[in-house]
Amino acid sequence: AQSVTQPDIHITVSEGASLELRCNYSYGATPYLFWYVQSPGQGLQLLLKYFSGDTLVQGIKGFEAEFKRSQSSFNLRKPSVHWSDAAEYFCAYTRGASKLTFGTGTRLQVTL
Amino acid sequence: NAGVTQTPKFRVLKTGQSMTLLCAQDMNHEYMYWYRQDPGMGLRLIHYSVGEGTTAKGEVPDGYNVSRLKKQNFLLGLESAAPSQTSVYFCASSYRDSRTGELFFGEGSRLTVL
Repeated sequence: AQSVTQPDIHITVSEGASLELRCNYSYGATPYLFWYVQSPGQGLQLLLKYFSGDTLVQGIKGFEAEFKRSQSSFNLRKPSVHWSDAAEYFCAYTRGASKLTFGTGTRLQVTL
Repeated sequence: NAGVTQTPKFRVLKTGQSMTLLCAQDMNHEYMYWYRQDPGMGLRLIHYSVGEGTTAKGEVPDGYNVSRLKKQNFLLGLESAAPSQTSVYFCASSYRDSRTGELFFGEGSRLTVL
């Protein structure tokens, strides 16, 4: 079955360090891929999305993600993490019109 | 601009009781969704709607019913609550379908079934 996998349940980084959150997808064709962020007690907010074209996409809050077909990956990156980035991050995909499917999430902790 | 509003935000039910969660959006979005979030499982789609008067099943529809009588509202009903329905429920809406339309989420409704 098609899916996205986030292999890291929990990641801790120091403020100012770089960040990479992993997402792997399982699908024959290129799906529509997304990263959402959920701050504590809040709903989810879209960070960025990839449909086609340039494989490096820029999002809000200084995040970017790179689509790598050869590795079936869509990893989220940020060069320098801020304490306010502490949240849960979800990779998601859709191949159909109305069914956005989420990964299990990666919780990011930022130490000062 | 309120965006997506869910009521109630917290609710405790006894097994077998019924309740309705209300989702309201003021963005004139066509698409609306109900998800549940459980630890270690991410968000799973319960039901969705592609327009007023339409509903469709998602990934985990059993035990839930929905209605979209007005474009701005999407109701999620539990007819006979079970402990397995203890979860945080999120409503979302989008102007276009999920391929190209960003989903806007409410802040969630935490439901506990005893």
